[in-house]
Amino acid sequence: EVQLVESGGGLVQPGGSLRLSCAASGFTFSSYGMNWVRQAPGKGLEWVSFIGISSTPISYVDSVKGRFTISRDDANNSLYLQMNSLRAEDTAVYYCARESVASDYWGQGTLVTVSS
Amino acid sequence: DIVMTQTPLSSPVTLGQPASISCRSSQSLVHTDGNTYLSWLQQRPGQPPRLLIYQISNRFSGVPDRFSGSGAGTDFTLKISRVEAEDVGVYYCLQATQFPLTFGGGTKVEIK
Repeated sequence: EVQLVESGGGLVQPGGSLRLSCAASGFTFSSYGMNWVRQAPGKGLEWVSFIGISSTPISYVDSVKGRFTISRDDANNSLYLQMNSLRAEDTAVYYCARESVASDYWGQGTLVTVSS
Repeated sequence: DIVMTQTPLSSPVTLGQPASISCRSSQSLVHTDGNTYLSWLQQRPGQPPRLLIYQISNRFSGVPDRFSGSGAGTDFTLKISRVEAEDVGVYYCLQATQFPLTFGGGTKVEIK
């Protein structure tokens, strides 16, 4: 069974940093691209970043370029999102999703709150 | 960036009746590889999104056959043939033809 479990969310002050993790199981993690998608409270879905097989390609939405870094550790079946210089508008539930024919499996999400 | 426009914003439906959601993209979603990376996701209240349809019309594993997708180029439709209580939620179209990936604004399906 495919499982994706996010962790690392929490309350952080503006300008602070957080590192999100996504633990994958039930499939060959190294064979799939992965996405981070976020959802602000009461709002719709927003794609944040993608990392391909062997970390190529990597892409970000403009609003996080230069602040967020996506990475993966295939040996440990894990996906990461390093988030720096956080802003109030980054407050959201962050989901990781496997990319196959589409974003086919999603985790339950982890909440990031940026507030003083 | 490709803009995805969904209509309607909200769709009150009687149980057992059909529902239809439209999604229009600001440019063609046909990829250079010939595929069209348009998918539909369902998000039930308090749940993460769930893939229903990929590449316009392919039902994902375990998705009931009352869900169907159609369209081409820039115009796409998700249809529910007979709405059931478990179908309540927000439905999103998503294009993955070009970075950045972009979602439609969502359509809320609710029971009348």
